[in-house]
Amino acid sequence: DQQVKQNSPSLSVQEGRISILNCDYTNSMFDYFLWYKKYPAEGPTFLISISSIKDKNEDGRFTVFLNKSAKHLSLHIVPSQPGDSAVYFCAASSNTNAGKSTFGDGTTLTVKP
Amino acid sequence: NAGVTQTPKFQVLKTGQSMTLQCAQDMNHNSMYWYRQDPGMGLRLIYYSASEGTTDKGEVPNGYNVSRLNKREFSLRLESAAPSQTSVYFCASITGTGSAQPQHFGDGTRLSIL
Repeated sequence: DQQVKQNSPSLSVQEGRISILNCDYTNSMFDYFLWYKKYPAEGPTFLISISSIKDKNEDGRFTVFLNKSAKHLSLHIVPSQPGDSAVYFCAASSNTNAGKSTFGDGTTLTVKP
Repeated sequence: NAGVTQTPKFQVLKTGQSMTLQCAQDMNHNSMYWYRQDPGMGLRLIYYSASEGTTDKGEVPNGYNVSRLNKREFSLRLESAAPSQTSVYFCASITGTGSAQPQHFGDGTRLSIL
């Protein structure tokens, strides 16, 4: 049973518009959530995170929202830029889990000029 | 600052051959991880090492072994490669085992087994 799910394999948006990437999880023990960005032929790089004690974290154009009751988080990118085109992975971890993260399958974002 | 370095970047093996994937980090991190990523899927944990001298199985350990050679290096070995092990392998590290920190990844080893 997949504990972290990204139900949209792909998303296409116009440059300057908002991109919203979604992620759902099932394990209530998760207390830290991360988004990673991955370009082809490179490893994932950390983008933004949120602790379960918060419901929002913002870093420049990137904002992550957490709805614990719904076990749902989302990443908003405003405004979207062509350089944001990449695969975005949602990940979750627990402080009882030796630093391990559980990853979703990723969403490929394409930002069109 | 190199971060996490993986070698080789590409490799083609025949079924039954053995191989060791190397990973080294220069960030003085305590914990290291090996993942595999198959097409259209997320990263799945193979093995991890919470600290020097310890290793533990992850989600998909069958067919693999690991060695935490020292604090910097964490290698992954395929003793008898199978086509099902064709994948991209990523190594990652973090400072410690607390949950509130992101992992640092290498650029991966692309492994094909014929």
